[in-house]
Formats: sequence, structure tokens, C-alpha cells
Amino acid sequence: AQSVTQPDIHITVSEGASLELRCNYSYGATPYLFWYVQSPGQGLQLLLKYFSGDTLVQGIKGFEAEFKRSQSSFNLRKPSVHWSDAAEYFCAVAAVDSNYQLIWGAGTKLIIKP
Amino acid sequence: DSGVTQTPKHLITATGQRVTLRCSPRSGDLSVYWYQQSLDQGLQFLIQYYNGEERAKGNILERFSAQQFPDLHSELNLSSLELGDSALYFCASSPGQVSYEQYFGPGTRLTVT
Repeated sequence: AQSVTQPDIHITVSEGASLELRCNYSYGATPYLFWYVQSPGQGLQLLLKYFSGDTLVQGIKGFEAEFKRSQSSFNLRKPSVHWSDAAEYFCAVAAVDSNYQLIWGAGTKLIIKP
Repeated sequence: DSGVTQTPKHLITATGQRVTLRCSPRSGDLSVYWYQQSLDQGLQFLIQYYNGEERAKGNILERFSAQQFPDLHSELNLSSLELGDSALYFCASSPGQVSYEQYFGPGTRLTVT
């Protein structure tokens, strides 16, 4: 069955440290891949997306993600986190199997230590 | 600000009641999506409308229904409410019928007591 896994429910990072949030998917073919962010009390906002081409994609707010076909992963990274990055991050995929509806991961809550 | 508006922001009601949540999509967007977000279930896709027609259905209960009006705003109707329906309900919009870049509203927090 199609699935999106974000193995970390919570991650705590010190301000200024680097960040990597994991996302794995299970699909027959390469899906379209997305990261969304939900700040406290807000709706979700698209951070970045991958459709095809260069496997390293740049997004807003200094985030990037790398698609690794061999690992079925699309991990989100940021070199240096800021306190304002504290939020919940959702990985999502869309594929022909799901009629191109977004299938969502469970989310990872990012906590920033001062 | 995504350009998607949702009303009301908060709603408190009793079990067995019926409520209507309203969503206005971004200007020019033809698709509206409804999601439910709860602590135990996470983010669940409920239903999508495109230009007034239902396009896709997710985990929407039979007690719930939605529609999209000619002016493209949408309403989600929740009836015979149960305690477990307490959640954050998001509306999102996108330009096309098959759209991956969805713009989310701020949500309606529903509390059923």
C-alpha cells in the first residue's frame, strides 16, 4: 500500500545547529514530493517540491531537500536553524496510484533549544 | 497570508448538533480541499471539489458533507456530531483539478462537548 513515513515524531535542535528531517515513501514509481510547514496556530505552507530533474531542491526560508531514489527518501535539511523554525513539518507525496491526491506523513514537530 | 479564508475560527457545540464550516478559496483557484487534523489521526484528507463538482473523496464520514457554490466558496457540513469530531478543519485551494501546490487557510477549531 502507498505510504509516507516520517519516523521522527519530535526532533529537538539547538538554535544555529543543522537540521535534517526524514521522509520515506512507498510507491511503485517516483512520485511527486513535497514538504509543508505548519507554524503554531497556522495553516500549512508549501516549503518546497520535487517533480523531476535535479534531485536537490531549494525551498523557502532557507530549506532544501534531496530526493534519493535508491532509498525512497526525500529528507528536508537546513544548515542553521532559527527559533522561528519551530513548527510541525509534513512530508507529502502525490502519484498516479493515489490519483495524484496528496498522501501525507504524520508530521515531525521541530523544537528549537535556545 | 495564503489568501484562503475560513470562518469561523473557533466553534464549540454539543454532541448531536450540526455545524457548517465555510471556506473562500484564493482568487482564481477552482479547487477546494477539506482536511481534518486531530491529535490521534493526524492530517486526513476529506474531500475535494473542483469548479462546483466533487472530484475526489478521502476519509469523509457519511455524517459529513460538502459543497462548492457557483462563486467557488465551499461549505463543510458536519452533523450528528460526536466527541471524536473535535479537531482542526482546514480548507485548502489550488488552481487546477490536479494540483499539488495547495494553499491552506488558517483552519476552524471545532470542539464538541
